[in-house]
Amino acid sequence: DAKTTQPNSMESNEEEPVHLPCNHSTISGTDYIHWYRQLPSQGPEYVIHGLTSNVNNRMASLAIAEDRKSSTLILHRATLRDAAVYYCILRYWSGGGADGLTFGKGTHLIIQP
Amino acid sequence: NAGVTQTPKFQVLKTGQSMTLQCAQDMNHEYMSWYRQDPGMGLRLIHYSVGAGITDQGEVPNGYNVSRSTTEDFPLRLLSAAPSQTSVYFCASSYAGPGGGYTFGSGTRLTVV
Repeated sequence: DAKTTQPNSMESNEEEPVHLPCNHSTISGTDYIHWYRQLPSQGPEYVIHGLTSNVNNRMASLAIAEDRKSSTLILHRATLRDAAVYYCILRYWSGGGADGLTFGKGTHLIIQP
Repeated sequence: NAGVTQTPKFQVLKTGQSMTLQCAQDMNHEYMSWYRQDPGMGLRLIHYSVGAGITDQGEVPNGYNVSRSTTEDFPLRLLSAAPSQTSVYFCASSYAGPGGGYTFGSGTRLTVV
């Protein structure tokens, strides 16, 4: 399975944008880039996903490098509620094959008031 | 919608006891999976299913059994509990295909003494 590399932790101030990087240099053409976050004492929560193009939703934006070897999750205006562990995951898709998610250790995002 | 419902939320077992962790989803998702999360770690895949009657092993399947008789339910059975199985267990479900994200339950915190 293709692996991802994320910083162990990042710190940001409330109401400022946050850019969470993820490296995935061995990504294959059939790997989708997914982001999840896990708030303390809760199950993971889906944030966003993409394949090649940048994506936006109500929670965040995903910027994907042209060569797909890295991506950045962007929280446009961080709040204290965004403090969580953020996981960047490659979801393999074979057009009918089974899958599960392979979690790394993620990035622990700390938001300062 | 209730989403993914896990029961019980907490459980204490004695070594050697067996039990079943329940997972139910009401979103008509094809894919379901079980993960465990040990302190300070990311989630690890135990078993997964791509539809009723179809299951497969994940990264850490030893000591656990699953079955999928209906689309809605995916119980996880601990055959003979061991202290090493003390963990938080999460169930998740998703539509088939790489486009959608997984929806996670709130977890079952299991302690084996």
